[in-house]
Amino acid sequence: GQNIDQPTEMTATEGAIVQINCTYQTSGFNGLFWYQQHAGEAPTFLSYNVLDGLEEKGRFSSFLSRSKGYSYLLLKELQMKDSASYLCAVPSGGYQKVTFGTGTKLQVIP
Amino acid sequence: ETGVTQSPTHLIKTRGQQVTLRCSSQSGHNTVSWYQQALGQGPQFIFQYYREEENGRGNFPPRFSGLQFPNYSSELNVNALELDDSALYLCASSSDQAYGYTFGSGTRLTVV
Repeated sequence: GQNIDQPTEMTATEGAIVQINCTYQTSGFNGLFWYQQHAGEAPTFLSYNVLDGLEEKGRFSSFLSRSKGYSYLLLKELQMKDSASYLCAVPSGGYQKVTFGTGTKLQVIP
Repeated sequence: ETGVTQSPTHLIKTRGQQVTLRCSSQSGHNTVSWYQQALGQGPQFIFQYYREEENGRGNFPPRFSGLQFPNYSSELNVNALELDDSALYLCASSSDQAYGYTFGSGTRLTVV
């Protein structure tokens, strides 16, 4: 089965950089997703990593180490609108099931 | 290109009743997955439909059932509602399953 761990809450200052970590255990690796979810809204897709290394997409970057079962999401130049929950997720079984972590609630303060 | 739409937005039901939630997938998507998200938790996988067939199921009892129609829209049915079924129900559609879902805005179900 799948097991995903990520911190419950984080606080960071506007304009700063924050790193949200995720560790996972999965039987058979088929990539790792990051989603952003604002309160009361649906999750929105941020990134998908299947190979080791860092992938950059604007202010957001995602890193994967398959050997360590570890990923992080890096948010640069934080803005107030980045306050949201960030969900780490791994698919399995030919992508039939995507297992989500409980999410990291990020609060950006002035 | 339309996104994923879910109806209704909010719903209040009484314990023991039955409910049907609906989802229209994004244009070009043939796979629909349903998730239950309790407050403060991550989404929990209920099941997935691909070309009108169930294509994987999570740890939910048989009173959670679904359908997918030829136009790839989908329904989630829950019988014998329990208080713990109160949650946000999310529908997500995809075509290339390796590159993430597009989620609908969800149906907030409250069971009293």
